[in-house]
Amino acid sequence: KNQVEQSPQSLIILEGKNCTLQCNYTVSPFSNLRWYKQDTGRGPVSLTIMTFSENTKSNGRYTATLDADTKQSSLHITASQLSDSASYICVVISGGSYIPTFGRGTSLIVHP
Amino acid sequence: DTAVSQTPKYLVTQMGNDKSIKCEQNLGHDTMYWYKQDSKKFLKIMFSYNNKELIINETVPNRFSPKSPDKAHLNLHINSLELGDSAVYFCASSPRTDPSGYTFGSGTRLTVV
Repeated sequence: KNQVEQSPQSLIILEGKNCTLQCNYTVSPFSNLRWYKQDTGRGPVSLTIMTFSENTKSNGRYTATLDADTKQSSLHITASQLSDSASYICVVISGGSYIPTFGRGTSLIVHP
Repeated sequence: DTAVSQTPKYLVTQMGNDKSIKCEQNLGHDTMYWYKQDSKKFLKIMFSYNNKELIINETVPNRFSPKSPDKAHLNLHINSLELGDSAVYFCASSPRTDPSGYTFGSGTRLTVV
């Protein structure tokens, strides 16, 4: 069964600090992996997309990594800001069918 | 603004009622979706329509019926609402060139009392 597990479930950090969110998956076949940011009361917004051959991709202060061998991905946030407070969702897309499997998300709270 | 827009944003209704949620996208995308997000924030795909044709229908009670009058619209009709239907429902769309590049609407919070 395709599954996506994220950790930690929730995280509280101080403004300016860095943090790393984890995503492990068992989806097969694999097409791509995306990280989404979901602000409270809003729909998810795509941050990064990683394909099989990509190891690292950055989008501003967000850097995603992918290890396709161990089926793990991480999202690193540098110099956190209050606006980073949100839920971060890892989504893995199956090859061929493009059916998504969502993780349950990591709830990040950034305190001043 | 180019976007996926869904209405209403909030919907409170009694058990047993029938309700509809509307969705429209002006992005020119070929595929539209309905997702359900439960109280634990877990997103699950319900339906997928490509150019008005149903292509994904996950295990969803047949009280839920999607309707796509044209490529830009995908409405969700729910019959005989139950307490367990309370959730946030998201509409989304994606282009043919990037099938998993979803653009989500802002969600409809459905509360069944």
